[in-house]
Amino acid sequence: DQQVKQNSPSLSVQEGRISILNCDYTNSMFDYFLWYKKYPAEGPTFLISISSIKDKNEDGRFTVFLNKSAKHLSLHIVPSQPGDSAVYFCAASDPDYGQNFVFGPGTRLSVLP
Amino acid sequence: GAVVSQHPSRVICKSGTSVKIECRSLDFQATTMFWYRQFPKQSLMLMATSNEGSKATYEQGVEKDKFLINHASLTLSTLTVTSAHPEDSSFYICSARSGTGVSPLHFGNGTRLTVT
Repeated sequence: DQQVKQNSPSLSVQEGRISILNCDYTNSMFDYFLWYKKYPAEGPTFLISISSIKDKNEDGRFTVFLNKSAKHLSLHIVPSQPGDSAVYFCAASDPDYGQNFVFGPGTRLSVLP
Repeated sequence: GAVVSQHPSRVICKSGTSVKIECRSLDFQATTMFWYRQFPKQSLMLMATSNEGSKATYEQGVEKDKFLINHASLTLSTLTVTSAHPEDSSFYICSARSGTGVSPLHFGNGTRLTVT
């Protein structure tokens, strides 16, 4: 049973436009969410996070939105750049699950020049 | 920012031999580290939670005698793949949390293991 879902396995966006990556979760106890970016043969890199007491967090070109009632979060990248092409993982933390996070299956973003 | 170093980045070994992978937190202490395995085009699969000074906690289906984890200090955890077989070939990644509460996981750069 997948607790964190990323229903789009891939997404293609034109350079300069907005990329929107979506993530849904089922466990209402999740209280902290993160987005990671991963290039092939490298470990994931932390991008941005949001705690459940907020509904938006912004860091440069990256903004994460959280809709707790819908159990949905999204990552917006604007403007998208070719270097943003990577796999993006959504992750959620459950305080009852120790220090680890539950990861979604990832979305492969391709930013076309 | 917090840095997690993983070594080696690539290793090729023969079937039946053992391989040790190291995971170090460089600028913070980590009482807990995590080991993952990633299959091609799939997400990260948590294998085990490494606890400093105590036994690791393995996820269901992960053989503890095959994947030996040692967390001897607050900055070092090791994963040893014993009696490796070709099906153990994979990308192994470690991570650690730099703080408590709302703090992110930081990942090593992964180790590509190929068993011939």
